[in-house]
Amino acid sequence: DTEVTQTPKHLVMGMTNKKSLKCEQHMGHRAMYWYKQKAKKPPELMFVYSYEKLSINESVPSRFSPECPNSSLLNLHLHALQPEDSALYLCASSQEGQPYQPQHFGDGTRLSIL
Amino acid sequence: AQTVTQSQPEMSVQEAETVTLSCTYDTSENNYYLFWYKQPPSRQMILVIRQEAYKQQNATENRFSVNFQKAAKSFSLKISDSQLGDTAMYFCAFMSTADRGSTLGRLYFGRGTQLTVWP
Repeated sequence: DTEVTQTPKHLVMGMTNKKSLKCEQHMGHRAMYWYKQKAKKPPELMFVYSYEKLSINESVPSRFSPECPNSSLLNLHLHALQPEDSALYLCASSQEGQPYQPQHFGDGTRLSIL
Repeated sequence: AQTVTQSQPEMSVQEAETVTLSCTYDTSENNYYLFWYKQPPSRQMILVIRQEAYKQQNATENRFSVNFQKAAKSFSLKISDSQLGDTAMYFCAFMSTADRGSTLGRLYFGRGTQLTVWP
């Protein structure tokens, strides 16, 4: 079982819809990440939150809007997406303040834009 | 910028045999971390093994071991006694300490190697 939980597992939406992806972890991690992954490609970093503050935004289009309501939750709000945004969206978390800590990933949300 | 290269897009191995996946990277830093993640069809990225650059001893986790050659900037993964459940996409990843202003690590991934284990 994964320690990082993502919902929903699958999402199909039209280009005019508004939806949200959710990510939750209860490992006490203070860094959380959103990645986008296309088929047979490595994950691409989108956003990083550190202590509930946005610390990295990899020039992601504004139709993706992240939110970190508390240390355990990370949301990704979606609006007016394009067909090329269809992908697997992965959430990850890691411990802060350690010599190093690997990132723990969720199962992802498979997003399809019609 | 850090780059990670996996030169083998696909590999296959028979069950119980040994296979080695290659990874090279480019960096000007002296201290950093290296990881191998596997991603089976179930999609979850699972950490397989990790190596700290300042440690000379190669990391080992059960059937998984690495050959870390710092001077050559090489970090290969050896899987012994391959099992059907090892079938997955394997990603090599680099974590820079220089990016860790707040100890936050940014991962740089290679393009992945699809490993298939045959019965």
